[in-house]
Amino acid sequence: QVQLVQSGAEVKKPGSSVKVSCKAPGGTFNSYAINWVRQAPGQGLEWMGRIIPLVAITKYAQKFQGRITIVADRPTSTAYMELSSLRSEDTAVYYCARDLYDYPTDYYYYGMDLWGQGTTVTVS
Amino acid sequence: SYEVTQPPAVSVSPGQTASISCSADKLADKYSCWYQQRPGQSPVLVIYQDDKRPSGIPERFSGSKFGNTATLTISGTQALDEADYYCQAWDSTTVVFGGGTKLTVL
Repeated sequence: QVQLVQSGAEVKKPGSSVKVSCKAPGGTFNSYAINWVRQAPGQGLEWMGRIIPLVAITKYAQKFQGRITIVADRPTSTAYMELSSLRSEDTAVYYCARDLYDYPTDYYYYGMDLWGQGTTVTVS
Repeated sequence: SYEVTQPPAVSVSPGQTASISCSADKLADKYSCWYQQRPGQSPVLVIYQDDKRPSGIPERFSGSKFGNTATLTISGTQALDEADYYCQAWDSTTVVFGGGTKLTVL
């Protein structure tokens, strides 16, 4: 079964950093972008950023600029999201999700068709 | 910042048609997608490119867009369709989710 597998739950102190991993099936990074989306308790979905491993392009939501880093390791088909300067408001479930990259223009969008199981990050 | 607006809640009787709207500035120039999220589960894509249904999504789910408003329609709503639904706007510079709509089937 095709799936994105995320790392386990984390408990962090305010001011520290967290790094969440997302392992994809082999070959995923040749065709797909990886997004990071979070969901605070009882709240909606919030897009954080996206990486297109094939062309090494990364885009972040303005809200997280300067605090977030998304990287992709193509040999291991694993993407990572690191969020720094954590505060209590960052307590959330963090998801990775793939979308099919429309090479080379990124004009057509096919939606996030596969999501990881989520990683709970608690800042306390 | 770019905002996508959805009604917080929609109710429907079993077997009836549910419609959930999504509006945003210049949404006509962007793609809209819809996601279903059941409690405790990861979201599932149900509509992409405004009106396309991914493989495996039942035909009772359909999408449309007129001007700056996108609509998710669920025909013959079933109890298992009770969930939160999120609209997402996308173009090469914009990736924004709406606040979500809780669909109640009663």
